[in-house]
Amino acid sequence: AQRVTQPEKLLSVFKGAPVELKCNYSYSGSPELFWYVQYSRQRLQLLLRHISRESIKGFTADLNKGETSFHLKKPFAQEEDSAMYYCALSSLGSARQLTFGSGTQLTVLP
Amino acid sequence: KAGVTQTPRYLIKTRGQQVTLSCSPISGHRSVSWYQQTPGQGLQFLFEYFSETQRNKGNFPGRFSGRQFSNSRSEMNVSTLELGDSALYLCASSDPRADREQFFGPGTRLTVL
Repeated sequence: AQRVTQPEKLLSVFKGAPVELKCNYSYSGSPELFWYVQYSRQRLQLLLRHISRESIKGFTADLNKGETSFHLKKPFAQEEDSAMYYCALSSLGSARQLTFGSGTQLTVLP
Repeated sequence: KAGVTQTPRYLIKTRGQQVTLSCSPISGHRSVSWYQQTPGQGLQFLFEYFSETQRNKGNFPGRFSGRQFSNSRSEMNVSTLELGDSALYLCASSDPRADREQFFGPGTRLTVL
C-alpha cells in the first residue's frame, strides 16, 4: 500500500529564515511525487512535481529514493508563503489518483 | 479558461438521505477525479472518470458512486448518508495530454445531521 507521511502538522518560521517541510513516502513501484499548496480561502493547487525538477516561488524539492523522501525547501521564507502544504504521491503515469499526506500548516512570522 | 466548478457549494442532509454533487471540469479536460477531505482522514481518493468510464476507485463503500457524462461533467452520489460522510468533497480535472497536473475545484461542503 502506498502511504505519504508529513510529520509536522504545524511549522512556524520567521521571515527570511530557511524552511523545510518534510515528506516521506512508502511505495513499492515507481512513484511520482507532488507538492500541493492551499492558501487561505483558495483552492488546492499544484506547487511542483518531482519530474519537472523546477523551482516555483523559490521552492524546490528533490526526490531521494534511498531515503524515500521528498522534502520541500525554500532558502528565505516570505510571509506570503504561509499556507497549508500537502505532499502527494501517485503511481507513474496515473497522476489522477493521488495519495495525500496529512498536510503541514506553514506560518511565516514577520 | 474558467476553472473547475462544483455545485452546490454547501449542503445539509440528514442521516439516511442521499445526495448528488456535481462537478464541471475545465473545458477540454476529460478526466475527473473525486476526493473526500475530513479532519480525521485528510484527503482521500474516491474515484476517477475518463471518457464516461470509471478508471480507478478508492477504498470507499458502495454507497459512494459516480458517473461522467459525454460533456465530461461528473456527478457523485452518496446514498444512505451517515454522520461520518460529513466532509468537503473535492473534484479535480486534468487534461490527458498533460497527464501530471490536476486542477481542483472549490469543493462542496456536505454536513450530515
